[in-house]
Amino acid sequence: DTGVSQDPRHKITKRGQNVTFRCDPISEHNRLYWYRQTLGQGPEFLTYFQNEAQLEKSRLLSDRFSAERPKGSFSTLEIQRTEQGDSAMYLCASSRFGQNTEAFFGQGTRLTVV
Amino acid sequence: TQLLEQSPQFLSIQEGENLTVYCNSSSVFSSLQWYRQEPGEGPVLLVTVVTGGEVKKLKRLTFQFGDARKDSSLHITAAQPGDTGLYLCAGSSYGGATNKLIFGTGTLLAVQP
Repeated sequence: DTGVSQDPRHKITKRGQNVTFRCDPISEHNRLYWYRQTLGQGPEFLTYFQNEAQLEKSRLLSDRFSAERPKGSFSTLEIQRTEQGDSAMYLCASSRFGQNTEAFFGQGTRLTVV
Repeated sequence: TQLLEQSPQFLSIQEGENLTVYCNSSSVFSSLQWYRQEPGEGPVLLVTVVTGGEVKKLKRLTFQFGDARKDSSLHITAAQPGDTGLYLCAGSSYGGATNKLIFGTGTLLAVQP
């Protein structure tokens, strides 16, 4: 399978714990995005990487959130001191570099903070 | 702030009926993508429209990009239960360096057999 892969698919954690999600983009894609989606809403942009450089972060990304993309391949999204409001589907997408290129999404990681 | 409003939010129809979903904005987009999402899964890309006035067909689905690149529509002919899902439109900022997508509010479609 050469699509975008996310791990884990589901994560249940206690409030205050740290969690880390992984995204493996399509191999030739330079661009990588993280989005968050809550029930009944469309995905909201969190952050963007071009190769290994994190070029844009949404104001939704509080200081408890950090994302990395070492070597411009896979990416990780870490949430520290999780809160119940962090419960959501976290989606990763990748695309080629260029104007109007298509973004392909992974299956997402469903986070539940109890 | 760029916003994409979709209508209707919810739609429940019988198999065989036709339907249209609308995606509207006051902002201009360089391209617009339509996705379908099933519960617990990520969005799956259906189509990308780039040119104002462009019409694309994907089997029973017809997508149109508005002349001014501010709106789009999705028309489904003879809907089937397999069309059930959340339909999302997403626009890419005109001239934006990141090409990030701004998503619409979504239309939840249920097709009853």
